[in-house]
Amino acid sequence: KNQVEQSPQSLIILEGKNCTLQCNYTVSPFSNLRWYKQDTGRGPVSLTIMTFSENTKSNGRYTATLDADTKQSSLHITASQLSDSASYICVVRTTSGTYKYIFGTGTRLKVLA
Amino acid sequence: GAVVSQHPSRVICKSGTSVKIECRSLDFQATTMFWYRQFPKQSLMLMATSNEGSKATYEQGVEKDKFLINHASLTLSTLTVTSAHPEDSSFYICSAQGQAGEYTYNEQFFGPGTRLTVL
Repeated sequence: KNQVEQSPQSLIILEGKNCTLQCNYTVSPFSNLRWYKQDTGRGPVSLTIMTFSENTKSNGRYTATLDADTKQSSLHITASQLSDSASYICVVRTTSGTYKYIFGTGTRLKVLA
Repeated sequence: GAVVSQHPSRVICKSGTSVKIECRSLDFQATTMFWYRQFPKQSLMLMATSNEGSKATYEQGVEKDKFLINHASLTLSTLTVTSAHPEDSSFYICSAQGQAGEYTYNEQFFGPGTRLTVL
């Protein structure tokens, strides 16, 4: 069964600290993996996309890693800011039959001053 | 990146009425649109996938007669919640995937969402 699991469910950190969010997937066949940031009451916004051959990709203070062998991805946030408070969603695209997106359950991050 | 808009952003209606939500791709042709609903503190749940000019494909457990989806053009899809009830209150998000000219987007772009409250 195609699944995407994220951990932790929620996380509270102090402003300026770093954090890492995890995403494990059992999706096959794998096409790509994308991390989204969703502010409360808004639609998700893409942070990074990674294909099978990519190990690391950065977008400002966000760095995503992908280990296709273990089917794990992480999103590392450096020097967190209050505006980083949001839900972070890992989405894996599969090409089984027609394309399909498998959504993770998300990690709710709260950054405190 | 491509822009997707939704209208309205918020809607409050009485139980038993129908509500229409619009999803537009502003600067690209959306050959495929997705409709999601999201409950508080939960991730997005796919309701249906629609390709322009075709009938929508609904996910298991989603009533097609309850949630009418129309994707009549390459820039507009609508979701109509018919005979809405309080349990239909949720955050509805659309996304679109397609192309701009000769460039094909390999991702879906999300709208800002519509908060539906049924009294």
